[in-house]
Amino acid sequence: KQEVTQIPAALSVPEGENLVLNCSFTDSAIYNLQWFRQDPGKGLTSLLLIQSSQREQTSGRLNASLDKSSGRSTLYIAASQPGDSATYLCAVRRLEYGNKLVFGAGTILRVKS
Amino acid sequence: EAQVTQNPRYLITVTGKKLTVTCSQNMNHEYMSWYRQDPGLGLRQIYYSMNVEVTDKGDVPEGYKVSRKEKRNFPLILESPSPNQTSLYFCASSLGLAVDEQFFGPGTRLTVL
Repeated sequence: KQEVTQIPAALSVPEGENLVLNCSFTDSAIYNLQWFRQDPGKGLTSLLLIQSSQREQTSGRLNASLDKSSGRSTLYIAASQPGDSATYLCAVRRLEYGNKLVFGAGTILRVKS
Repeated sequence: EAQVTQNPRYLITVTGKKLTVTCSQNMNHEYMSWYRQDPGLGLRQIYYSMNVEVTDKGDVPEGYKVSRKEKRNFPLILESPSPNQTSLYFCASSLGLAVDEQFFGPGTRLTVL
């Protein structure tokens, strides 16, 4: 059974700091990994999608890496801003699991101004 | 604008009163699914559909029904809602199967009294 763990569970940083969110998964036979952002009581916004054959993806101040063999992904946020405050979720996808996304519990990020 | 829409966004109902939460996507996606999000349990898949008239159970299907009569619509039906179905519900879609990015709707917050 695929399990996804995110560390830390919560993080509070001053504005401008670079930060790393971690995601690990137990079954490395995944198709892809997706990072989402969720604001309180709101929907999920897709940030980055990394296919299993890729090592990293970048979008603006965000960079996500994937090491499938070790079952790990990191989301790097450069020059954090108060507007980055949200819950960040990672999810892995594999056809055998009904094509669903298996989600981690998330990291709650607070960027202080 | 490419999007997944859900209605209603908020619903308060009473035990046993049948309800339907609609989901529609305008991206011609084949794959659609429903998730529920609960504190401490994260996001869990309820049902999914690979295409029109093709649906299957996810991790927590009890108490729910779905149908996929048209490609764009994937309603979630609660025949006899109970308080344990109080949750935040998300509809998601993707173009095809494993390698494609999943897009989520804005969520429906359901309270069953």
